[in-house]
Amino acid sequence: AQTVTQSQPEMSVQEAETVTLSCTYDTSESDYYLFWYKQPPSRQMILVIRQEAYKQQNATENRFSVNFQKAAKSFSLKISDSQLGDAAMYFCAYKSNFGNEKLTFGTGTRLTIIP
Amino acid sequence: DAGVIQSPRHEVTEMGQEVTLRCKPISGHNSLFWYRQTMMRGLELLIYFNNNVPIDDSGMPEDRFSAKMPNASFSTLKIQPSEPRDSAVYFCASSVFRLAGDAYEQYFGPGTRLTVT
Repeated sequence: AQTVTQSQPEMSVQEAETVTLSCTYDTSESDYYLFWYKQPPSRQMILVIRQEAYKQQNATENRFSVNFQKAAKSFSLKISDSQLGDAAMYFCAYKSNFGNEKLTFGTGTRLTIIP
Repeated sequence: DAGVIQSPRHEVTEMGQEVTLRCKPISGHNSLFWYRQTMMRGLELLIYFNNNVPIDDSGMPEDRFSAKMPNASFSTLKIQPSEPRDSAVYFCASSVFRLAGDAYEQYFGPGTRLTVT
């Protein structure tokens, strides 16, 4: 079974600075997808960014980018120019490419933005 | 687009009572997922459906939990009888499933916060 580990329960960053959230995963599969979801205080789960394991290029979405290291099974999220609206819980998630559509989530990192 | 709709948003009930949570997926989506979020266990999949058929129910904790999807636009998650340890936020999510391994997004509803006293 796949597992996802987020070793930073809490992080904080000064507004306009850059922060990196860590995620590692364990799998025996060679093809899969990785996601970062954001959960603000409203509780709504929002997809931030996705990465296909077969792609070497790191995904980027505006101020959000990932550092995907397949051999190390590492998938970190970098948030540039942090804004107050980025304050939320961030969850890393794994999806197999072999039939099961479920997402396996990490335990989350609570990100605080310091004005 | 109304998004995934869940009802009720909050539910408070007494131990032993039956609880029914409801979900309306996004129109045109053919996969539906029920997740549970607790402080102790985080976010975990309970069950998911593809074209109204249950595909993986290995996360359903015990026989007290049951889920149905009678049609493409409605699903229920029932707990009978409820217990205090069932207190959690229950999320419904939907997506479009075309091919195994497709890269897709699961759209989440706002969740139902269940409190069992």
